[in-house]
Amino acid sequence: NAGVTQTPKFRILKIGQSMTLQCTQDMNHNYMYWYRQDPGMGLKLIYYSVGAGITDKGEVPNGYNVSRSTTEDFPLRLELAAPSQTSVYFCASSYGGVSYNEQFFGPGTRLTVL
Amino acid sequence: EDKVVQSPLSLVVHEGDTVTLNCSYEVTNFRSLLWYKQEKKAPTFLFMLTSSGIEKKSGRLSSILDKKELSSILNITATQTGDSAIYLCAVGFSGNTGKLIFGQGTTLQVKP
Repeated sequence: NAGVTQTPKFRILKIGQSMTLQCTQDMNHNYMYWYRQDPGMGLKLIYYSVGAGITDKGEVPNGYNVSRSTTEDFPLRLELAAPSQTSVYFCASSYGGVSYNEQFFGPGTRLTVL
Repeated sequence: EDKVVQSPLSLVVHEGDTVTLNCSYEVTNFRSLLWYKQEKKAPTFLFMLTSSGIEKKSGRLSSILDKKELSSILNITATQTGDSAIYLCAVGFSGNTGKLIFGQGTTLQVKP
């Protein structure tokens, strides 16, 4: 199993550009999450999904959008990039059931907006 | 507002020392408390503590949940340079979302 994979690893955007961060998991997890991590900070939840076709906002959703058309994929869309979106983005997934709070993380995407 | 607070924010020790990292929380509908280790990349899972499992141990690492004090500690004994990392504490909620709220993290540096 590859686990949780993310692409790209690094990206530099200009202010106002848009992009999609890709996330795929092959563990058949129902739950998926997007976080951002700023320097010296913990992880902040952007959006999450409890299954295909179901998404909801987390703590910091402004400036982002998500979709969940399949169990495996959970892309994060940045519209009109701003310098405040410079961060490291992590995608995570979890199984559900008794242990569903344990999340497995992808390697991250480092995004810089200039 | 739900929150998780870790202390200290950073710590420098020498190999062989024992360290204790703290995590306190104020959340509604508490379900679990998790510890993760992050070494310049993705967080990796260490422990999950719940009402039915308030103490966990793995090698030199151990963790205890104090539900009365709404806190947890992570102990690392006989530290090694490979323990240098950010240690993240997170709290999970009951309900059908699986959401976690993370603390700021504690950066541990272990010097030879």
